[in-house]
Amino acid sequence: AQSVTQLGSHVSVSEGALVLLRCNYSSSVPPYLFWYVQYPNQGLQLLLKYTSAATLVKGINGFEAEFKKSETSFHLTKPSAHMSDAAEYFCAVIDSSNTGKLIFGQGTTLQVKP
Amino acid sequence: GAGVSQSPSNKVTEKGKDVELRCDPISGHTALYWYRQSLGQGLEFLIYFQGNSAPDKSGLPSDRFSAERTGGSVSTLTIQRTQQEDSAVYLCASSFGTQNQPQHFGDGTRLSIL
Repeated sequence: AQSVTQLGSHVSVSEGALVLLRCNYSSSVPPYLFWYVQYPNQGLQLLLKYTSAATLVKGINGFEAEFKKSETSFHLTKPSAHMSDAAEYFCAVIDSSNTGKLIFGQGTTLQVKP
Repeated sequence: GAGVSQSPSNKVTEKGKDVELRCDPISGHTALYWYRQSLGQGLEFLIYFQGNSAPDKSGLPSDRFSAERTGGSVSTLTIQRTQQEDSAVYLCASSFGTQNQPQHFGDGTRLSIL
């Protein structure tokens, strides 16, 4: 069965610093992986997706993620944090049951300090 | 274009009452998903629709929960005899239905059981 682990429930960075949010997955089949962002009182917005076309995936708002099969990781990065990046971030993998349902990590809250 | 729309955005009700939550997916999206987001459990899958059929109901927590979808469009999630543990944010998502397509989320319904 698929699973996702996000290391660190809270990450704090200074404005302008590198953002690194960690995600490790477990999958019995080649995974389809996603990063979503959730702002307060809103739904989830897709940041980027990995569907095996390229290991380095670029998303919206300057975020990118690298798929590393050997490490079963899909970490999210952004070179320079902005105050508006403060939100909760979720890594997710598509379940192998052919329904397309998502299995989510527990989420990481990103705090950006001025 | 219009995104996924959920109503009501907030619902407060007394324990034991029935509630109905509505989801209008993006036009043309054949797949529709319900998820629940709560503090203790994170994001959990509830049910998946392909067209009007629900081939995966495995996430519904009890027989008090049911859902339907009509016309391949609007879906209603019904919770009967609500309990305090049902308090959560209920999120709806839709996609084009192929397995690797990203899901687009609504802003959710925040349900509070008194």
